[in-house]
Amino acid sequence: SQQGEEDPQALSIQEGENATMNCSYKTSINNLQWYRQNSGRGLVHLILIRSNEREKHSGRLRVTLDTSKKSSSLLITASRAADTASYFCATDPSPSSWDMRFGAGTRLTVKP
Amino acid sequence: EAGVAQSPRYKIIEKRQSVAFWCNPISGHATLYWYQQILGQGPKLLIQFQNNGVVDDSQLPKDRFSAERLKGVDSTLKIQPAKLEDSAVYLCASSWEGLGDNEQFFGPGTRLTVL
Repeated sequence: SQQGEEDPQALSIQEGENATMNCSYKTSINNLQWYRQNSGRGLVHLILIRSNEREKHSGRLRVTLDTSKKSSSLLITASRAADTASYFCATDPSPSSWDMRFGAGTRLTVKP
Repeated sequence: EAGVAQSPRYKIIEKRQSVAFWCNPISGHATLYWYQQILGQGPKLLIQFQNNGVVDDSQLPKDRFSAERLKGVDSTLKIQPAKLEDSAVYLCASSWEGLGDNEQFFGPGTRLTVL
């Protein structure tokens, strides 16, 4: 069964704008990861945030984690057309196993 | 560093036929995963190997799907016989280990169409 649920399912913005995607999950986690998938390709790891972290940055990406609300958000600043892709959150429920569960993803379209 | 390799990239078969997918993980990665991604959905883990042993195959439909990882390197995933609902992209991924904060590296996937 899928653990993470992304919101919105689809998002369309203009180049230069910021894009925010949300992920909610049901059970406690060890860490949460965000992946990007370009059309017809495999997934690429973007960023990992541990359960004891609240915010993490990587370039134009900012991820927050609220374990009390069981939710995470991914912010892409100053978006580019090349950011057009599907974005998935994946949760790892336990430090003693790798049982990652992906959500259905958010489809982001950045218009030039 | 070479990435995760998969073949074939595309496969079209008739229902009830058999099909096999191959995956070569990144050199040195102990853990290998097979995922099924149906159109419009996120990847679903089918099976996870640690070296040549199975760690998790709870979501693998064992009546028709099988996988092996001989010698702890390459892996094959087989479907026999295929059903229409098996149409999906089959993704292989690998990581250094299966525990802790390990990033998974994904291959390009094999797109299977069952007619």
